[in-house]
Parts: sequence; structure tokens; C-alpha cells
Amino acid sequence: EPEVTQTPSHQVTQMGQEVILRCVPISNHLYFYWYRQILGQKVEFLVSFYNNEISEKSEIFDDQFSVERPDGSNFTLKIRSTKLEDSAMYFCASIPWTSGRNANTGELFFGEGSRLTVL
Amino acid sequence: RKEVEQDPGPFNVPEGATVAFNCTYSNSASQSFFWYRQDCRKEPKLLMSVYSSGNEDGRFTAQLNRASQYISLLIRDSKLSDSATYLCVVSHASGGSYIPTFGRGTSLIVHP
Repeated sequence: EPEVTQTPSHQVTQMGQEVILRCVPISNHLYFYWYRQILGQKVEFLVSFYNNEISEKSEIFDDQFSVERPDGSNFTLKIRSTKLEDSAMYFCASIPWTSGRNANTGELFFGEGSRLTVL
Repeated sequence: RKEVEQDPGPFNVPEGATVAFNCTYSNSASQSFFWYRQDCRKEPKLLMSVYSSGNEDGRFTAQLNRASQYISLLIRDSKLSDSATYLCVVSHASGGSYIPTFGRGTSLIVHP
């Protein structure tokens, strides 16, 4: 069964360093998302990506964040200068989009997440 | 403004019990509704979609009340393996975007 894969599974970094989290979505999916979950808190929307551009972003997704899909498969989240409060689990997710009889249900397919620890 | 609200619990129930969770949402234009399950430090996984007419999948029953903007999940005959956090997810489409929004989740602990 196809799956969303994320790397690294865990990254420890010093405050102020740049971090790149990588995701390989399911190949025929069209909508891509990054969510984050701070330990003990809710899953928060960061950004959605469609047709090779950002379609929507939350207020959390400020100038220190960026997303790219450089080669049509990998989908990356970059945090330019990490802060202590960026410590969280970052989930990549995707949704297929079809119409007709097998119309998309809107189910999100998640990767296993990348745990970021900022010291 | 909280878009999707859930009672965080925990709900602590014995095996075999029936337990119900509710969720309310604020965006009346919401189109799709889901329950996800999340185990500790794992990714959320779809439990079931929620349809207007209500739907059932084995021991799980989901209901949607659009007029009151709430969704429910009923779990019958609870098993130890049902212990997890149950996430209510509500999606809306806007200008080409489709954004699933999560509630903070309701924690369920099933004990022997």
C-alpha cells in the first residue's frame, strides 16, 4: 500500500539553526500539507500546497518557514532559524483528488512524522 | 476563536462499556467531517468519515447534526485496544484550498 514517508524521524538542533524536513507524498495525490503538533497539544495546520504553490497558510507559518517541491516528488519544510518553541512533531499529509463515482472523501494520509527538538 | 472543539477528557471506562464523544465546529460552510484516532506519539489515522445520514462501522457509529454543528462518535463494547486519542476533523473548501482542521482530541482510556 502506498504511503507518505518522512525524514528524518527525529532531529535535534541548536536554537538559531536551519532545519529541513522532507516528505515524499503518495505519487498520485494532489494536495499536500504540513501540520505540527507540540507535545500534548492539538494538531495544527501550517500550510497547504497545490499545483506547485502554496494554496493556504496559517498564522503560524511566518517568514521563518518555507515549503518547496523541488523535483516533483519531495516536499520539504524549511525552518530558517529555529526557536525553542518550534520543538514539535511535524506531520506531512496528502489527499488524492478525484471526481465521479470514486470521488475523494477528503481523507488525509499522514506520514509518521518528524520529531524536532530545539535546544 | 476555536474552530473545532472537543472535551479533552480523559474518559476512563471499563472494557465492554459504551462511550460517546461530541465535537462542535464553528464554520457553517464546513463540508467534510471525520474522526481520526491517534495513538501516543504516532500519526493520526482515519477512523471513519461522517456522513449526513449517520454511519456505522462495526462497534463505531458516527452522527452529524449540521443544524447544531456538532458531530458525535459512539463506541460500543469498548476494548482495551480502543485506548487512544480521538480527533474530530472538519474540512472546508475556500478558493481552491481544502483545509482539514483538527480538534484537540478526546482521550479514551479503557481499563480491564
